[in-house]
Amino acid sequence: RKEVEQDPGPFNVPEGATVAFNCTYSNSASQSFFWYRQDCRKEPKLLMSVYSSGNEDGRFTAQLNRASQYISLLIRDSKLSDSATYLCVVPLGNTPLVFGKGTRLSVIA
Amino acid sequence: EPEVTQTPSHQVTQMGQEVILRCVPISNHLYFYWYRQILGQKVEFLVSFYNNEISEKSEIFDDQFSVERPDGSNFTLKIRSTKLEDSAMYFCASSLAGGNTGELFFGEGSRLTVL
Repeated sequence: RKEVEQDPGPFNVPEGATVAFNCTYSNSASQSFFWYRQDCRKEPKLLMSVYSSGNEDGRFTAQLNRASQYISLLIRDSKLSDSATYLCVVPLGNTPLVFGKGTRLSVIA
Repeated sequence: EPEVTQTPSHQVTQMGQEVILRCVPISNHLYFYWYRQILGQKVEFLVSFYNNEISEKSEIFDDQFSVERPDGSNFTLKIRSTKLEDSAMYFCASSLAGGNTGELFFGEGSRLTVL
């Protein structure tokens, strides 16, 4: 199994829709997880951290399922500005972060 | 808001030439990183640097690559003899705590094109 796997998409959704992305990881010892956002040809930026079962920040909810080794990101009431690539990021022990390939989201008016 | 700055934003070079990419991390950060992203592919870890030495490096970071913190502010990545496959966006990042705590602050990247 690859270290971090994501559905590449693209997910094309209308404004106002709810969309969810999943990410699976291989290292069962990982304790913390992150979602980064990357706009086209820009740098990644931290969106959310997930240290326990989940985290919520406004329209964004991240959930962790340790037994199945996946994390999810839910975006409610999608905005045009949410269009980006969402990167699932997992540290592997003491090594720095391993990035997934990302899931591309396009929110359409 | 403090930010990581990188120069140049874009460099075009001939195969076999040496390239130096420069970064100024956020001033109170202690950990520094280089990542690269080949067009259309994922962000890949190259090297991390802490306390004036390399703390981790990936298989990509071979003898052609080196990093240096020549003074109190700059953090550089040198590629000694560039290959076509080195063409990528190179991101510098810094963090206050170690990278596995998650919050890395990335610069806008330096796009390297090797001809």
